[in-house]
Amino acid sequence: GQQLNQSPQSMFIQEGEDVSMNCTSSSIFNTWLWYKQDPGEGPVLLIALYKAGELTSNGRLTAQFGITRKDSFLNISASIPSDVGIYFCAGPETSGSRLTFGEGTQLTVNP
Amino acid sequence: NAGVTQTPKFRILKIGQSMTLQCAQDMNHNYMYWYRQDPGMGLKLIYYSVGAGITDKGEVPNGYNVSRSTTEDFPLRLELAAPSQTSVYFCASSVRGSGNQPQHFGDGTRLSIL
Repeated sequence: GQQLNQSPQSMFIQEGEDVSMNCTSSSIFNTWLWYKQDPGEGPVLLIALYKAGELTSNGRLTAQFGITRKDSFLNISASIPSDVGIYFCAGPETSGSRLTFGEGTQLTVNP
Repeated sequence: NAGVTQTPKFRILKIGQSMTLQCAQDMNHNYMYWYRQDPGMGLKLIYYSVGAGITDKGEVPNGYNVSRSTTEDFPLRLELAAPSQTSVYFCASSVRGSGNQPQHFGDGTRLSIL
């Protein structure tokens, strides 16, 4: 099946720093989704991307749908302690009924 | 706004016991999903359903069963609990197939099998 590779696996940063993470695939995706999972909770959708080249922001978060349709990027500006969590990228499988999830990027923000 | 509700939140089982994890959504979503998340890992799809009366296997279905008798409910059953099933289980739902409809997740059921 389709696989999504997220990098980095984990990040340790200081409060106020900017963060970049990415997600790549060997196959084309028509939609890219970014989720955040707070400790002890379920994933929550942050940003959805539906068009190649699309750049979408949600507050301090910005995500881009790669022009090749095989990658996506998530940036967080001026990180704060509540940004701590696991960030997952996801995309629909060919059938359209299921999502493929990346393994996640664990973000730690030191005050 | 209830969204996706999972019960129980925590449970400890003995090897060989059975239990049902409950999942209910009040958004009239057709599609529902069960995932498991092992420590430090991503989400693995166990089973999913595209509508009442229809279920299908995901990536890791062995040891589990599901049913979908109503649009709202999608219970997950463990018949003979094994230590390998210790995990956090998430239920999710979406309006249609996930091509352009994101999934909404519950808060999870943390299951330990000893």
